[in-house]
Amino acid sequence: GQNIDQPTEMTATEGAIVQINCTYQTSGFNGLFWYQQHAGEAPTFLSYNVLDGLEEKGRFSSFLSRSKGYSYLLLKELQMKDSASYLCAVRDSGGSYIPTFGRGTSLIVHP
Amino acid sequence: DAGVIQSPRHEVTEMGQEVTLRCKPISGHNSLFWYRQTMMRGLELLIYFNNNVPIDDSGMPEDRFSAKMPNASFSTLKIQPSEPRDSAVYFCASSLGRTRRTGELFFGEGSRLTVL
Repeated sequence: GQNIDQPTEMTATEGAIVQINCTYQTSGFNGLFWYQQHAGEAPTFLSYNVLDGLEEKGRFSSFLSRSKGYSYLLLKELQMKDSASYLCAVRDSGGSYIPTFGRGTSLIVHP
Repeated sequence: DAGVIQSPRHEVTEMGQEVTLRCKPISGHNSLFWYRQTMMRGLELLIYFNNNVPIDDSGMPEDRFSAKMPNASFSTLKIQPSEPRDSAVYFCASSLGRTRRTGELFFGEGSRLTVL
């Protein structure tokens, strides 16, 4: 099984930088995902990490440390539209190839 | 591509009634997932199909829930009889699975179910 932990809620100011952490425990590992979900909408894919290090994609970056069971999503130059829930998901190395989702971090960006 | 299509978007029904949710995955995707999302429990996997075959249904709550995938372009999730605790948003998602390095999921807009 898997255990994924992320903060329930965070707030930040427009234009600032925010880091959303995710820790996980899994019997095997085959990738970590970040998804963004606006209220009332479907989750959408943001990033994927399978090797240690930082993956940068525009204003968003995602970091992974497999030895520590730790990842973070970094959002720069925050905009009001970044207010959403951010879901961390871990895929195990078993044959099922199924991602397990954390409860999500609700990010509120205020002016 | 039209993306993953789910219907109905909203369903309000009474306890004991049968509910059928429908999903059309993205053409060419070989993996299909049904998830349920609630405030209390977050996003939980119900069942996973690969090439139309159910691979993992360990998340299906009980016998009241059943899912089928008769062909590569259609899946249903049925609840019979429905109960108030089944109220949630049900998401269908599809992916290219192992044929793509990341294998990320593409979600439908969800079906919001309310059981009175």
